[in-house]
Amino acid sequence: DAKTTQPTSMDCAEGRAANLPCNHSTISGNEYVYWYRQIHSQGPQYIIHGLKNNETNEMASLIITEDRKSSTLILPHATLRDTAVYYCIDNDFHGSSNTGKLIFGQGTTLQVKP
Amino acid sequence: DAGITQSPRHKVTETGTPVTLRCHQTENHRYMYWYRQDPGHGLRLIHYSYGVKDTDKGEVSDGYSVSRSKTEDFLLTLESATSSQTSVYFCAISESPRVKSTDTQYFGPGTRLTVL
Repeated sequence: DAKTTQPTSMDCAEGRAANLPCNHSTISGNEYVYWYRQIHSQGPQYIIHGLKNNETNEMASLIITEDRKSSTLILPHATLRDTAVYYCIDNDFHGSSNTGKLIFGQGTTLQVKP
Repeated sequence: DAGITQSPRHKVTETGTPVTLRCHQTENHRYMYWYRQDPGHGLRLIHYSYGVKDTDKGEVSDGYSVSRSKTEDFLLTLESATSSQTSVYFCAISESPRVKSTDTQYFGPGTRLTVL
């Protein structure tokens, strides 16, 4: 089962910032927080990931609380094409297995409205 | 987008028939994965490969087998398809997580499989 908790759905006005929260209160010290999104009928798309520090790339910003128990994905200027399901995942690829295993929960359905 | 293709993109088959799905990558990534996606379950890992001829089971591996004879190809086989295997199947690739200190996985476009 997924170890993260996200709201089921959110709305955002086009052009405004979309702030998607994620709770990962059981995250361990080696686990990264990853964000993916899935636009209808397409494969999941990587957005961003982080461990402790806030991160920013061309798609989004990731704000991680100091205690690492929660994070927020920020899409600074949401467009209609950002309508998708957003998944927050914690991933320990330094664990005993040869690979981190992405465990996808139900995610947050973000609806960007004109 | 990462160079990942899946074939076929759509398939309808009958219960009891064998089915093979192919994932092909042009990125020379070491790790490859097969997931299935069903309503109410999100994406679930079936099998993954961490090198040529090196594979391991995921959380829903029963009824599936995989093979990887070349870096670029990862095959998923349903030996005798059942209706419960009707799903959308996604392939993903990543570089070596332990070496690269990241496990960013890049996904293919998916294969929609219907077993009647």
